[in-house]
Amino acid sequence: GAVVSQHPSRVICKSGTSVKIECRSLDFQATTMFWYRQFPKQSLMLMATSNEGSKATYEQGVEKDKFLINHASLTLSTLTVTSAHPEDSSFYICSARDFQGGETQYFGPGTRLLVL
Amino acid sequence: SQKIEQNSEALNIQEGKTATLTCNYTNYSPAYLQWYRQDPGRGPVFLLLIRENEKEKRKERLKVTFDTTLKQSLFHITASQPADSATYLCARGNSGYSTLTFGKGTMLLVSP
Repeated sequence: GAVVSQHPSRVICKSGTSVKIECRSLDFQATTMFWYRQFPKQSLMLMATSNEGSKATYEQGVEKDKFLINHASLTLSTLTVTSAHPEDSSFYICSARDFQGGETQYFGPGTRLLVL
Repeated sequence: SQKIEQNSEALNIQEGKTATLTCNYTNYSPAYLQWYRQDPGRGPVFLLLIRENEKEKRKERLKVTFDTTLKQSLFHITASQPADSATYLCARGNSGYSTLTFGKGTMLLVSP
């Protein structure tokens, strides 16, 4: 149980384009999902907390107009990187917390974004 | 600020030995600490959670301790196997449903 999927697993795009990443909880409902970014040999950095049916809460220094988050249902959250630039190239990982409680976050497999 | 510090140097051990990884935190004790395993190019996989009022927790070959005096958690893998080679992440949660703050992780390499 507690499986989280992400799509796509890998994306290469041109500078200036927008990229959408999907995060789904497959076998549980998640009122809260999280989006992280990880650079090589660095820790996971929380970008935003996404709550179903409400606006996301962004961490300090994360531009909400650049990283659009939508949590439309209890099993789906999306992150859109708008007007991507090479410095946005990174490993993006989502996680979800089970609606029925518990502090544990279950992570997706991650999305490798490369902006040329 | 609340930090999680893990040894950035890789830990190399021989198969069959016990691996011990360290996680130190700053400021006040978190409500709980979580340990995750991360393989290259993959998302973290949850292993264990230990609460502030728990001294030790076990799961199969894994054992985690929480020492509020030393502000430290130790993560042990007994009878280590090459398949245990990965990066292990420690994360702190300050209250029931708060966000997590992660350390950089420690890479474990188990040689046959």
